[in-house]
Amino acid sequence: GAVVSQHPSRVICKSGTSVKIECRSLDFQATTMFWYRQFPKQSLMLMATSNEGSKATYEQGVEKDKFLINHASLTLSTLTVTSAHPEDSSFYICSANVGSSDFSLGYTFGSGTRLTVV
Amino acid sequence: GEDVEQSLFLSVREGDSSVINCTYTDSSSTYLYWYKQEPGAGLQLLTYIFSNMDMKQDQRLTVLLNKKDKHLSLRIADTQTGDSAIYFCAESNTGFQKLVFGTGTRLLVSP
Repeated sequence: GAVVSQHPSRVICKSGTSVKIECRSLDFQATTMFWYRQFPKQSLMLMATSNEGSKATYEQGVEKDKFLINHASLTLSTLTVTSAHPEDSSFYICSANVGSSDFSLGYTFGSGTRLTVV
Repeated sequence: GEDVEQSLFLSVREGDSSVINCTYTDSSSTYLYWYKQEPGAGLQLLTYIFSNMDMKQDQRLTVLLNKKDKHLSLRIADTQTGDSAIYFCAESNTGFQKLVFGTGTRLLVSP
């Protein structure tokens, strides 16, 4: 089945540093990937939609300069949290639509990255 | 905007049936999904239903859709302790559009 590999699974960084999270589609091409943020015991909040070869589309209230998204190839999208602060600590999850013609296949999710900023 | 609501918590005994409910506001929803999330993990697609369907059954899972009331439910038959997790419903329109997630229901199955 379609697999999205997300790394790292857990990262602890110091305030002011930047952290990069990678998502790779292993056996399919993902022209579109989605980045979500999940606070403890809460639902997933869509941060941005990442399109291969073009600029990401950010949801209202999400800082573009804070959360840099790059989707340089059909199998890789990255999210960089720049100048991280403790309030950026969260669970970040990526997902990709599996098939371009069959939306019933749904979206495959990465395993998530737990970011802790100290 | 779109809004998807779920009850927060459900507790059942092993072997019983579980019913998780979801309501949504977007009348143009095309696909509705159920996802399972175990602690510290990503989301696993359980099942989906197209908006022109009323019911879909897949082994222990039964999805019911009442499009008029914009109500979706997931029934898990013979619930097992391994089913303990958070369950999210989600909806999307046609095209490469975003998924809108419900608030999540935490299912606890006790022996």
